[in-house]
Amino acid sequence: AQSVSQHNHHVILSEAASLELGCNYSYGGTVNLFWYVQYPGQHLQLLLKYFSGDPLVKGIKGFEAEFIKSKFSFNLRKPSVQWSDTAEYFCAVTTDSGNTPLVFGKGTRLSVIA
Amino acid sequence: DSGVTQTPKHLITATGQRVTLRCSPRSGDLSVYWYQQSLDQGLQFLIQYYNGEERAKGNILERFSAQQFPDLHSELNLSSLELGDSALYFCASSTRDSSYNEQFFGPGTRLTVL
Repeated sequence: AQSVSQHNHHVILSEAASLELGCNYSYGGTVNLFWYVQYPGQHLQLLLKYFSGDPLVKGIKGFEAEFIKSKFSFNLRKPSVQWSDTAEYFCAVTTDSGNTPLVFGKGTRLSVIA
Repeated sequence: DSGVTQTPKHLITATGQRVTLRCSPRSGDLSVYWYQQSLDQGLQFLIQYYNGEERAKGNILERFSAQQFPDLHSELNLSSLELGDSALYFCASSTRDSSYNEQFFGPGTRLTVL
């Protein structure tokens, strides 16, 4: 069964700092990859997704992620974070074998301080 | 607002009791997914229904059951509750049951078992 690892449990950054959150998955076949964000007190929202094609994916709010197949990774990046990016970020994967449920990582809490 | 609604928002009950959580998917979505979010386990997939039929099962305990009704709303029934069942329960919906379809999440029901 596939699994997802998010290396950082809690990241604290100052405003305008650059962000990179790690995500690695374990599955040898074709995967679909997602990053979701959960702002305090809100529901999960999709930031971006990768199914195929260009491995550099751009999402909402200036976020991007790069799929590196050889490293089984899908790291999330943002060049300059804002206080409003404070949230929990979840990486998730499904396999390309029809309908498979989302498998989530445990999440990374991002705190952006002024 | 994702268009997915969940009731109630909060539920406090005692061990041994039974509760029902309700989810209404986005208009037009046929697929409903249930997830449990706890501090130690993270976000775990429980079960999926598509157009009234069970489609996929995850780490769902035998004490838990779900169904999807003809109007496509879904209910998650949790019985013989234990302290460890305290968690946030999310419902998500998507248009179809493919891995390619984005899932839209509801605000969750926070269950506290005392």
